[in-house]
Amino acid sequence: RKEVEQDPGPFNVPEGATVAFNCTYSNSASQSFFWYRQDCRKEPKLLMSVYSSGNEDGRFTAQLNRASQYISLLIRDSKLSDSATYLCVVNFPGNTPLVFGKGTRLSVIA
Amino acid sequence: DGGITQSPKYLFRKEGQNVTLSCEQNLNHDAMYWYRQDPGQGLRLIYYSQIVNDFQKGDIAEGYSVSREKKESFPLTVTSAQKNPTAFYLCASSILAWTSGRARGNEQFFGPGTRLTVL
Repeated sequence: RKEVEQDPGPFNVPEGATVAFNCTYSNSASQSFFWYRQDCRKEPKLLMSVYSSGNEDGRFTAQLNRASQYISLLIRDSKLSDSATYLCVVNFPGNTPLVFGKGTRLSVIA
Repeated sequence: DGGITQSPKYLFRKEGQNVTLSCEQNLNHDAMYWYRQDPGQGLRLIYYSQIVNDFQKGDIAEGYSVSREKKESFPLTVTSAQKNPTAFYLCASSILAWTSGRARGNEQFFGPGTRLTVL
């Protein structure tokens, strides 16, 4: 079973707020995890990879909890330009394509 | 510049016609993928290929066909058998885990997409 579940949102937050998204995955043997960002009517673009216990890139922090099989994305000091859909992506064991969640939509409001 | 390109950006087709969407990459990636995205929905995998002259069906392959004659190219044909072809089509490519020496999966890079509308 290959499932990646995300809260679809939308999350409507004011500028400067901190917002967190969670994502759960179905296979405990999964080893690679990614967050992608997709703007309206555009292609998804890689935001961050999550390979170990988590990593940080500026205002963005991704964390992995293997025991509970979830990953999270934290965005601090939200900007208007952060408005987009955030896709959780997981690699399942075997030589198979990555599995994409349906995405969580974020709207940052002035 | 290295990257992945798709053409055309917009495509209009009459019902009952086959149409082929182009996808080219110069990233030297072994694997290529086709996805379909409907408004407000997630990505659904149509076909993928991990090596030249070989490809695998994804979750929604019915009504579509592909070929992989060259490493750089992975065209998708939307046939008249596809009952509801109007959608946003995305092509992606990636290194394969076993060629990169990593045990984990590798990130995919996407082209800009083709919007297909059936009139």
